[in-house]
Formats: sequence, structure tokens, C-alpha cells
Amino acid sequence: EAAVTQSPRNKVTVTGGNVTLSCRQTNSHNYMYWYRQDTGHGLRLIHYSYGAGNLQIGDVPDGYKATRTTQEDFFLLLELASPSQTSLYFCASSGTGEVTQYFGPGTRLLVL
Amino acid sequence: GEQVEQLPSILRVQEGSSASINCTYENSASNYFPWYKQEPGENPKLIIDIRSNMERKQTQGLIVLLDKKAKRFSLHITDTQPGDSAMYFCAASAITGNTGKLIFGLGTTLQVQP
Repeated sequence: EAAVTQSPRNKVTVTGGNVTLSCRQTNSHNYMYWYRQDTGHGLRLIHYSYGAGNLQIGDVPDGYKATRTTQEDFFLLLELASPSQTSLYFCASSGTGEVTQYFGPGTRLLVL
Repeated sequence: GEQVEQLPSILRVQEGSSASINCTYENSASNYFPWYKQEPGENPKLIIDIRSNMERKQTQGLIVLLDKKAKRFSLHITDTQPGDSAMYFCAASAITGNTGKLIFGLGTTLQVQP
């Protein structure tokens, strides 16, 4: 199975804080995704990318930025964190022509 | 926007019985339908998928059925065991030459009671 890692695994910040969530995949996948998971809402796509330097807006992008610095690394940025962004964040990746997405272990974010 | 409806949200079954989860999708261009299992504290993991050129797929006690005309697909778990207790997500993707986005259902919590 594809290897996707995320850091940190847990993060606590205050309202207005600046947070960066990191994701790395080592399977030469072109596509990477950021989701948030909340009870009652399932998995919602925040941003995704087709390759280094590419960014696509997902379904719930407000309050989030993302940057894909390399094929391996995809970052999610919360520049002014709010309590509504308290959630479990998953990164995923998939290969060209292969739509199966492989998920990282998740980052649990608490915004106080 | 595109939605995938998943029912039921909670499913309780007795060990050894079957469990069925149903999903419907809106985008007629969707042609890939994965199912993920998520255990508490873990990430979602792919357990089975089906493409639009198939109507049925089976692997290790899991059966997936696809009805393209009705835009409906379903997961059937035969002979459920306590280890099957988890959250299950269906998803649909529209493949447009490159990797399509996955639109997820809201999930089904399956509880297998001994």
C-alpha cells in the first residue's frame, strides 16, 4: 500500500494562530489531496494538486491555503485559525490514471 | 454540487448475518466507485472498488453491486464478524482524463453484535 505520512499528528493552537500541516508521499504519485473529517459531514475536500506547483480548489476551501512544493510534499496552511477549523485532517495521494486514493494517518487539530 | 447519498447512517447486525450499505450518486459521468473502511482512530482504507464496466465484484466476503441506470451502488458484507465493526464510506469519482475527485458519502457506522 502507498506510503503517506503526516505531521504533526496532533496540534493545539489558539484562535488567530498560524498552523501548517505537512504531508509527504513517497510513491511517486502525482495527485495529492487534503480533506477534513467531521462528525455528520464525512470527508470533505479542501484543496488538491496535480503536481508540484499546481493547486486546485476543493469543496470547502475557505480559511485554508495549500502549497505543493515538490511531488512528494503538500502543505495545508491555516493563517488565522478559528475554532470552526477544529477537525481531523487527512492527506491522500493517488497515481496518474489510478484513481484509488491512499490516506495518511491524519492530523488532529484543536483550535481553542 | 455533486453529492453521494449513503444509507443507513448506523447499521446494527448480529454476528454471522449480512450487512448492506447503499449509495446513490448524481454525476452520470462517474465511473469509479471505491469503498473505504475506517476503524476508530485510524485512516480510511480501501477495501473494495468497482468500475463502471462491471455490475458485480466480490472479494473476501465483500460484494459490490453497481446499477448505472439507477445511479446506485451497494456494499454487502456476508457473515459479519466483530472485526467488521467500523465506519464505511462509499465514494464516486468522475474520471476526466486524469485522476478525478472522489465525492464521499457521509458514512455508515456498522456495529456487529456478538
